[in-house]
Amino acid sequence: EAGVAQSPRYKIIEKRQSVAFWCNPISGHATLYWYQQILGQGPKLLIQFQNNGVVDDSQLPKDRFSAERLKGVDSTLKIQPAKLEDSAVYLCASSFSRTSTPGEQFFGPGTRLTVL
Amino acid sequence: DAKTTQPNSMESNEEEPVHLPCNHSTISGTDYIHWYRQLPSQGPEYVIHGLTSNVNNRMASLAIAEDRKSSTLILHRATLRDAAVYYCILRDVDFGNEKLTFGTGTRLTIIP
Repeated sequence: EAGVAQSPRYKIIEKRQSVAFWCNPISGHATLYWYQQILGQGPKLLIQFQNNGVVDDSQLPKDRFSAERLKGVDSTLKIQPAKLEDSAVYLCASSFSRTSTPGEQFFGPGTRLTVL
Repeated sequence: DAKTTQPNSMESNEEEPVHLPCNHSTISGTDYIHWYRQLPSQGPEYVIHGLTSNVNNRMASLAIAEDRKSSTLILHRATLRDAAVYYCILRDVDFGNEKLTFGTGTRLTIIP
């Protein structure tokens, strides 16, 4: 079974530029998550989708971050414009459904973003 | 969200058992205890979870205190590949949406 795919793996941009990350979850997984992991910290949930609907985006900085999952499969996360403090690893995860199995999420390898 | 407390770092010798502690004194009756680990340059991976009883799987064992205010992840025979950051998480089901709130975890170093 293929895992969660993410691209690109690395991205370097200058502040005020835009960037987009792509995630393809495990086939059949209804729930998709985007996390931000700053160096030395644990992952922080940015947004959670159930199929193509948002169920939690309480920690997403909506003035600059946006995410979509139009067909309920793959997803993109965008930052526009980027700030220095956005330098982090962006992790995508998926799970089968919201509550079917207690909390097993499958993570991708992440995209490491550096903002100069 | 319920919180967990873990030591920042631990060391263990290769091929010896490792006991990783976690305190969660504010745990509620319906919170599951989850452990994930993150190997260098990888995303986190699920290790084990439990509610009240001790649990075993191919990766590890989870010992849960009777009052559920603490738990211990046990790696029975550590290998170099077990060097990672281990996160103890209380699974929060908020309005039907399961959430994992990661802390800073315990960085486990395995000494050859």
